[in-house]
Amino acid sequence: ILNVEQSPQSLHVQEGDSTNFTCSFPSSNFYALHWYRWETAKSPEALFVMTLNGDEKKKGRISATLNTKEGYSYLYIKGSQPEDSATYLCAPSQGEKLTFGTGTRLTIIP
Amino acid sequence: GAGVSQSPSNKVTEKGKDVELRCDPISGHTALYWYRQSLGQGLEFLIYFQGNSAPDKSGLPSDRFSAERTGGSVSTLTIQRTQQEDSAVYLCASSSGLAGGNEQFFGPGTRLTVL
Repeated sequence: ILNVEQSPQSLHVQEGDSTNFTCSFPSSNFYALHWYRWETAKSPEALFVMTLNGDEKKKGRISATLNTKEGYSYLYIKGSQPEDSATYLCAPSQGEKLTFGTGTRLTIIP
Repeated sequence: GAGVSQSPSNKVTEKGKDVELRCDPISGHTALYWYRQSLGQGLEFLIYFQGNSAPDKSGLPSDRFSAERTGGSVSTLTIQRTQQEDSAVYLCASSSGLAGGNEQFFGPGTRLTVL
């Protein structure tokens, strides 16, 4: 079982501000790192799947970086909007099997 | 096309009863996963099916839990003699199963409450 840590556990951010949070995971036997967004009453939705050390991916105002050697990934949200309120989950994989962190619950304050 | 569907969306049962949860993956997806989220916990891996290979059952918490996938498509998760600690949201996901770290597409989940 992989030890996956996400911080902070929860976060309140003023609308328009930028924010970031962290996912830490074991660097050995790394295969891929997934980020998901899970909004209340909806299904988790994939944001990024990252495999290469130093990789950086972007989707609109959201971006993520990956450091496989030290075992961490950052997720950044620029200019937060109310619709960004959700729980953000990271999950390293060994093959196709994902181990999810407990997530960062983000609340955007209008 | 249609996404992953699950049924029922909610299930309330009495302790000791058996329950069956159903998952219809995206058509053509060879990989299917079951997870659960208990109150205050993260998403917990239960079982993984890939094509015709033997499933990875390493996440099943006890022998009361079993799952099957018929014809490489629909999957059923069965919990026998349910206990209150089985109360959780059970999520199913599917992916294309291709190499390289595949995006998983999740269903809406089944909320199970064991009284």
